[in-house]
Amino acid sequence: GDSVTQMEGPVTLSEEAFLTINCTYTATGYPSLFWYVQYPGEGLQLLLKATKADDKGSNKGFEATYRKETTSFHLEKGSVQVSDSAVYFCALSDLNQAGTALIFGKGTTLSVSS
Amino acid sequence: GAVVSQHPSWVICKSGTSVKIECRSLDFQATTMFWYRQFPKQSLMLMATSNEGSKATYEQGVEKDKFLINHASLTLSTLTVTSAHPEDSSFYICSARDQRGAREQYFGPGTRLTVT
Repeated sequence: GDSVTQMEGPVTLSEEAFLTINCTYTATGYPSLFWYVQYPGEGLQLLLKATKADDKGSNKGFEATYRKETTSFHLEKGSVQVSDSAVYFCALSDLNQAGTALIFGKGTTLSVSS
Repeated sequence: GAVVSQHPSWVICKSGTSVKIECRSLDFQATTMFWYRQFPKQSLMLMATSNEGSKATYEQGVEKDKFLINHASLTLSTLTVTSAHPEDSSFYICSARDQRGAREQYFGPGTRLTVT
């Protein structure tokens, strides 16, 4: 079945450092790809998404490009802030199938220090 | 954006009792809602897909008689943990799919269940 693999954490960075969190997927169809963020004590929030190959999702300085040839959707940010400390989840879903749930990676904890 | 609420946000119950968790889509209708379980420092595991007006679809390994799901309206799904045991202690998260537009899923804030 479909699956998502993302890099193990935790990732520890200093403020203003460059961030990359790798995510690769396996899917039989043409899924949409997502990054969700979970701040301490809060629920999941959609960070960005891409619905087809070569699409780039972006939000709050984060970016990810849907690469079909490498089945990847790596998350990047040029300069992280302390407030970016959270758990990041890569996920996929087929939005054309109403009953299809999101499939999540295991999550990557990011800790940014000042 | 669309809002999904969960109630309660946390609950402590004694072993052997049942607990009901509500999930509501506040400003949109959702024929499909999903229930996830999240263990500490781990990912979300899909438990079941809740379909309005029909029986839920459970993932392999999830006991349907233990985790009762009811989706009685287009804005409400409930998860009842029956005869709870300490190993049922977890963070339960629901999500609802907006039927309109991009059909995104919106997540509730989660319910922390502790069984003593």
